Amino acid sequence: EVQLVQSGAEVKKPGESLKISCKGSGYSFTNYWIGWVRQLPGKGLEWMGFIYPGDSDTRYSPSFQGQVTISADKSISTAYLQWSSLKASDTAMYYCARGRDCSGGTCYPEIWGQGTQLTVSS
Amino acid sequence: QAVLTQPSSLSASPGASASLTCTLRSGINVGTYRIYWYQQKPGSPPQYLLRYTSDSDKQQGSGVTSRFSGSKDASANAGILLISGLQSEDEADYYCMIWRSSAWVFGGGTKLTVL
Repeated sequence: EVQLVQSGAEVKKPGESLKISCKGSGYSFTNYWIGWVRQLPGKGLEWMGFIYPGDSDTRYSPSFQGQVTISADKSISTAYLQWSSLKASDTAMYYCARGRDCSGGTCYPEIWGQGTQLTVSS
Repeated sequence: QAVLTQPSSLSASPGASASLTCTLRSGINVGTYRIYWYQQKPGSPPQYLLRYTSDSDKQQGSGVTSRFSGSKDASANAGILLISGLQSEDEADYYCMIWRSSAWVFGGGTKLTVL
């Protein structure tokens, strides 16, 4: 079964750093893009960026460029989303999703992780 | 103006049909895009429902009931998700998405209430 399992909920203070994870299983992790999507409380879905674990090619939404870092460790089939200095406005649910058909001129999130809830509060 | 605009809410009765629209911004032609649809229930991640490009290019998500179908209204420059035979379990948020400029672009979502 294809699965993406994300790390657990986090409660952090402003200014702290954080790295959350997304572990893939049941498929060849290096052959599919992984995207990260933010959902603010009570709001819609926002694409943050992608990584291709096969060669660590990374793309960012302009809205998130410089705000987060996306990485992957293909040896353990895990993608990461990282902040160096959290803000209260980073409080949200974060989802990873496996991209499908991404080599064919289109790409869509097919399989989603269960989400990681991040709360940033002093 | 947002790239994809969805009505914020829609109500329909059990057993009826519901038509959820996803309007593309002026200048972005719906005819050239694959429209993807997702369902999200409270406390759960989004789930892929289907893709619609045309009647000859469409795809149902794995295990997704045929009560969900897609179409387009070229005159309105919109993608449409049609849900027939509404059931209480269809109450959820629905998001459309397109692949544009190498990015996932989501609509703002429609909250569907079945009552």
